[in-house]
Amino acid sequence: QKEVEQDPGPLSVPEGAIVSLNCTYSNSAFQYFMWYRQYSRKGPELLMYTYSSGNKEDGRFTAQVDKSSKYISLFIRDSQPSDSATYLCATSSNSGYALNFGKGTSLLVTP
Amino acid sequence: GAVVSQHPSRVICKSGTSVKIECRSLDFQATTMFWYRQFPKQSLMLMATSNEGSKATYEQGVEKDKFLINHASLTLSTLTVTSAHPEDSSFYICSASDSAGPLVGYTFGSGTRLTVV
Repeated sequence: QKEVEQDPGPLSVPEGAIVSLNCTYSNSAFQYFMWYRQYSRKGPELLMYTYSSGNKEDGRFTAQVDKSSKYISLFIRDSQPSDSATYLCATSSNSGYALNFGKGTSLLVTP
Repeated sequence: GAVVSQHPSRVICKSGTSVKIECRSLDFQATTMFWYRQFPKQSLMLMATSNEGSKATYEQGVEKDKFLINHASLTLSTLTVTSAHPEDSSFYICSASDSAGPLVGYTFGSGTRLTVV
């Protein structure tokens, strides 16, 4: 079993929709949870990170972590075509440690 | 913000030759650099972790003699794929971390697409 599981999609939504992206993880030692956005043939770009459980909001993006169920979510409100990309969740047990990535979910927002 | 420059962005080489990929932190000192490999529609898989001035730590299944990593300075790490074969064709990405705080240094390079023919 991979340490981080993520549905690869693809996920297609109309512009303006609320997008929900999710991951599950198996290692209870993970403390840091991140979401990256990756455009085709580019390196990942950090969108948000949270430490331990809880919510974090940044503009149209909200990250949620539920450590009791080992569930990570990213919500995108008012989705735009420019949000079309692959979204990767990642975890780490400690600051400075290498990241454990999910497979990435391909998102397409249609005008 | 922190910038990591990776070069080249894409390279095509003949089977049996070696290819060097450079990863530079432009405005911060990268005490740790990570090298990942990503196959199409797959996740980033960690290959190795390198700390400046010491030998890299390789993940299980990654041949250290084939993927040579050098982290000789706080701003530069190189990955050399030796005697490349078609199965080494992949997207290689580096990331750099400084010691400033949790995750602030997790900046990724733009990746190198290696094609071995």
